[in-house]
Amino acid sequence: EVQLVESGGGLVQPGGSLRLSCAASGFTFSDHYMDWVRQAPGKGLEWVGRTRNKANSYTTEYAASVKGRFTISRDDSKNSLYLQMNSLKTEDTAVYSCARVSRSSDLDYWGQGTLVTVSS
Amino acid sequence: DIQMTQSPSSLSASVGDRVTITCRASQGINNYLAWFQQKPGKAPKSLIYAASSLQSGVPSKFSGSGSGTDFTLTISSLQPEDFATYYCQQYKSYPLTFGGGTKVEIK
Repeated sequence: EVQLVESGGGLVQPGGSLRLSCAASGFTFSDHYMDWVRQAPGKGLEWVGRTRNKANSYTTEYAASVKGRFTISRDDSKNSLYLQMNSLKTEDTAVYSCARVSRSSDLDYWGQGTLVTVSS
Repeated sequence: DIQMTQSPSSLSASVGDRVTITCRASQGINNYLAWFQQKPGKAPKSLIYAASSLQSGVPSKFSGSGSGTDFTLTISSLQPEDFATYYCQQYKSYPLTFGGGTKVEIK
């Protein structure tokens, strides 16, 4: 069974940093691209970014709203995905979820998410 | 960026109704379109990918159609467990973008 479990969320002040983790199990993590998606309270879904797999040099893509502030990385030996968030803004407050990219390129499995609150 | 416009933003329907949700892309996306269901406090669940392909384990009452810029999600006979918010998403090009969501409520 595919499982994605996020952790690391919490309350952080504007300008601060936070690192989220996503623990994957039930599939060959190293084969797959992985995404982060966020959802602000009461709002819709917003794609944050992607990391490709080793075969594609672990290259990344980001939404314009986070580019230069957020960094996605992965550790295939630990079946883990990370989101390093720097220079956080109040508008980054959201539930952050990791999602697996299928071989058909869609997002087929999602984690429950972890809440990040940026507030003074 | 490709804008995804869903309609309606909300609808009220009764158990047993046939429900159709539409999604329009601001430019052609071939069939790189997915549909998700989200219930309050839960992770989104993938229903449809490639515009019309049913994810494994998803009941056949859900169906998708369309190509290019216009897409639909149909629920053939609405059941109590189907009351949720539905999102479309394009994955033709970066940044991936979602529609604003359609909340399906009980009439």
